[in-house]
Amino acid sequence: GQQLNQSPQSMFIQEGEDVSMNCTSSSIFNTWLWYKQEPGEGPVLLIALYKAGELTSNGRLTAQFGITRKDSFLNISASIPSDVGIYFCAGRGGNAGKSTFGDGTTLTVKP
Amino acid sequence: DSGVTQTPKHLITATGQRVTLRCSPRSGDLSVYWYQQSLDQGLQFLIHYYNGEERAKGNILERFSAQQFPDLHSELNLSSLELGDSALYFCASSDTGGNTIYFGEGSWLTVV
Repeated sequence: GQQLNQSPQSMFIQEGEDVSMNCTSSSIFNTWLWYKQEPGEGPVLLIALYKAGELTSNGRLTAQFGITRKDSFLNISASIPSDVGIYFCAGRGGNAGKSTFGDGTTLTVKP
Repeated sequence: DSGVTQTPKHLITATGQRVTLRCSPRSGDLSVYWYQQSLDQGLQFLIHYYNGEERAKGNILERFSAQQFPDLHSELNLSSLELGDSALYFCASSDTGGNTIYFGEGSWLTVV
């Protein structure tokens, strides 16, 4: 089946620093999605990418759909304490009818 | 608020018992997905329904089953529960294109 490798597994950063995380796969995806999950809550969609090479921003968040369609990255600029959470990438292929999720990147921001 | 509604939010039950988790998708969404998230783990895909029909199956145990009803709500049935079944169970929905899925807040199941 399709597998996603998400890295890093966890990050401990100082408030104000920029953050970068990525997902890679051996499979091609048609859609990349990035979610944030806070404790005890469901994942919330941050950014959706639908085309290879697409670069999309949502406030301080920027994500890109890799041109090979096998990878994507998410950047957070000028991190703040409320950025704390688990960030998941998800790739969606054409036939699977489902999204494959990475294992998540746990972000801790120290004030 | 994603528009996906799950009930109950919390559930505690004993081993060997059976529970049913309920999900109402976003208005107009035909696809419903179920995911399991154990402590400190990622999201494990269980099953996908589209307009009442099963479309894809993931790592769903034989003790678990799901269905989607004509009004598009879905239920996940978990039977012969074991301690290891304790987890957050998420429902998600998407529209016909299915490119973007939206999650509910989850049902937290504790098996004691």
